Amino acid sequence: DIQMTQSPSTLSASVGDRVTITCRASQSISTWLAWYQQKPGKAPKLLIYKASSLESGVPSRFSGSGSGTEFTLTISSLQPDDFATYYCQQYDSYLYTFGQGTKLEIK
Amino acid sequence: EVQLVQSGAEVKKPGESLKISCKGSGYSFTSYRIGWVRQMPGKGLEWMGIIDPGDSQSRYSPSFHGQVTVSADKSISTVYLQWSSLKASDNAMYYCGRHRTSGSQDAFDIWGQGTMLTVSS
Repeated sequence: DIQMTQSPSTLSASVGDRVTITCRASQSISTWLAWYQQKPGKAPKLLIYKASSLESGVPSRFSGSGSGTEFTLTISSLQPDDFATYYCQQYDSYLYTFGQGTKLEIK
Repeated sequence: EVQLVQSGAEVKKPGESLKISCKGSGYSFTSYRIGWVRQMPGKGLEWMGIIDPGDSQSRYSPSFHGQVTVSADKSISTVYLQWSSLKASDNAMYYCGRHRTSGSQDAFDIWGQGTMLTVSS
């Protein structure tokens, strides 16, 4: 199985900050990586697919990068609506794995 | 409107069986796979399995293989997640998600609202 490890598990930041979340795969997944945002009591929301492609309707302050085994999600200027939990997810031949999540908290 | 609508919350006893559903609408149902994701209370997302509603071929996470069954009825645009004998550890929220595969846009782009399962004696 491909394992996904996110860091940090929790991140405290302020409105306007630039933040980066990292996701590492246990083996190369090319760019088959997506990022999701989840708020309490809600379903996940797709932000980024294929490592760096912004989903339609998602604000441009979100960006993704990386390939192989190391990936990052960056929020360029945090807004109040961005405080949530973020998950990476890999796709490899009909099998999928999520990272354990990064909770983004207000400092 | 493209949407997935899941069946309502369930309260069951250990050992009971259960089938929950996820109905797609607003798109070509057989053109997208549907996956299931578990979220235990206060925990992260866990991918359970996925099915192609067009041919009903399914794949499972090793962690869930043999524990649940994913099936589909394309005539009514519905995918199911089924347990034959529930355990207390099945307490969780279950989400279905539409998996988009065209043009290298692979990702779960549309999600159901979730089905809360409570298993308690």
